[in-house]
Amino acid sequence: TQLLEQSPQFLSIQEGENLTVYCNSSSVFSSLQWYRQEPGEGPVLLVTVVTGGEVKKLKRLTFQFGDARKDSSLHITAAQPGDTGLYLCAGAGDTGRRALTFGSGTRLQVQP
Amino acid sequence: DAGITQSPRHKVTETGTPVTLRCHQTENHRYMYWYRQDPGHGLRLIHYSYGVKDTDKGEVSDGYSVSRSKTEDFLLTLESATSSQTSVYFCAISETGPWGTEAFFGQGTRLTVV
Repeated sequence: TQLLEQSPQFLSIQEGENLTVYCNSSSVFSSLQWYRQEPGEGPVLLVTVVTGGEVKKLKRLTFQFGDARKDSSLHITAAQPGDTGLYLCAGAGDTGRRALTFGSGTRLQVQP
Repeated sequence: DAGITQSPRHKVTETGTPVTLRCHQTENHRYMYWYRQDPGHGLRLIHYSYGVKDTDKGEVSDGYSVSRSKTEDFLLTLESATSSQTSVYFCAISETGPWGTEAFFGQGTRLTVV
């Protein structure tokens, strides 16, 4: 079974601060996605990374896929209250499983 | 927004009763998934379908069954509900599976087993 460990589980910061969320595994993933979920809603895709070492930017969010395709990070610059939510990483493996494996999530709260 | 609807949105049921949750999509996507979400566990896969009448188990499938007789509908049944199945259940759809394509989620069903 492929597992994804996210850290930290909870993060409470002030508006304007920077933060990094990590997603780690001992398994190789063919692609990795990051989702954000708001209360009472389903997760919504932020980004997909597919190549080892790939870096993608989405405004103030920077996503990186590890060279070995076993880990990923999400960095937010100058966090805003609108960034508050649950961040989930999800990986697609090379096994026969035809479903995403999700991490346990990082709950981010940005205080104004 | 992707056309995916879960019903009911909320349900309270008694221990030992059967419960069926419905996921309906209008996108004609091949893959459909049922996940449960509990604090500290992210999303855990219950069952998924990769076509009509083609289903497979996830890592938390015990006590659950699924059926997909039409492309647009994927049903999740709790055969005899237990308190440990109190959770928020999410249906997701994907056009070509998990490999680099987006999964679209429903709004969830909050199930309470008393």
